[in-house]
Amino acid sequence: AQSVTQLDSHVSVSEGTPVLLRCNYSSSYSPSLFWYVQHPNKGLQLLLKYTSAATLVKGINGFEAEFKKSETSFHLTKPSAHMSDAAEYFCVVTYRDDKIIFGKGTRLHILP
Amino acid sequence: GAGVSQSPSNKVTEKGKDVELRCDPISGHTALYWYRQRLGQGLEFLIYFQGNSAPDKSGLPSDRFSAERTGESVSTLTIQRTQQEDSAVYLCASRKQEGQTYEQYFGPGTRLTVT
Repeated sequence: AQSVTQLDSHVSVSEGTPVLLRCNYSSSYSPSLFWYVQHPNKGLQLLLKYTSAATLVKGINGFEAEFKKSETSFHLTKPSAHMSDAAEYFCVVTYRDDKIIFGKGTRLHILP
Repeated sequence: GAGVSQSPSNKVTEKGKDVELRCDPISGHTALYWYRQRLGQGLEFLIYFQGNSAPDKSGLPSDRFSAERTGESVSTLTIQRTQQEDSAVYLCASRKQEGQTYEQYFGPGTRLTVT
């Protein structure tokens, strides 16, 4: 069955340290992959997307993600966390049949 | 340009009443989705409209839930005889067209509280 797994429900990092939010998807034909961010009491905003071009994708606010087909992963990273990055992050996968699968989300906490 | 808008932003209703939530998608977007997000939870798919095709209603949790869309414009989600477990944020998203590479654009949501 098609699925997407966000391995951590909560991640805490100190301000200024790197961020890693993990996402794995079930193997299929090449999927399209997206990361969305949801700040408290706000709607979801697209951070970045992978659609079979470059495997390293750069997004807004300094985030990037690397598509690794051999590992079926699309982990989200940022070199240096900022307090404003505290939010919920969702990994989303769409497959050739256009089915959209949301991960359960990872809440990122930034420690001062 | 204008994004996806939803109204009302907040709705408090008594148990047993009907409510209607509205979504205005981005102009020209053929696909429209409704999701439910309970407090501290992820997104739960409810229903999907694509052009003139029959909607995908596979996510509607009960027959108290229904949704309509007029052409490629406004959609309304109706919840009849509301229950306390219906309390959640209801999110609408639109998408330019069908196709796995197209991202969804989300509205700010309607926060529904059933007392």
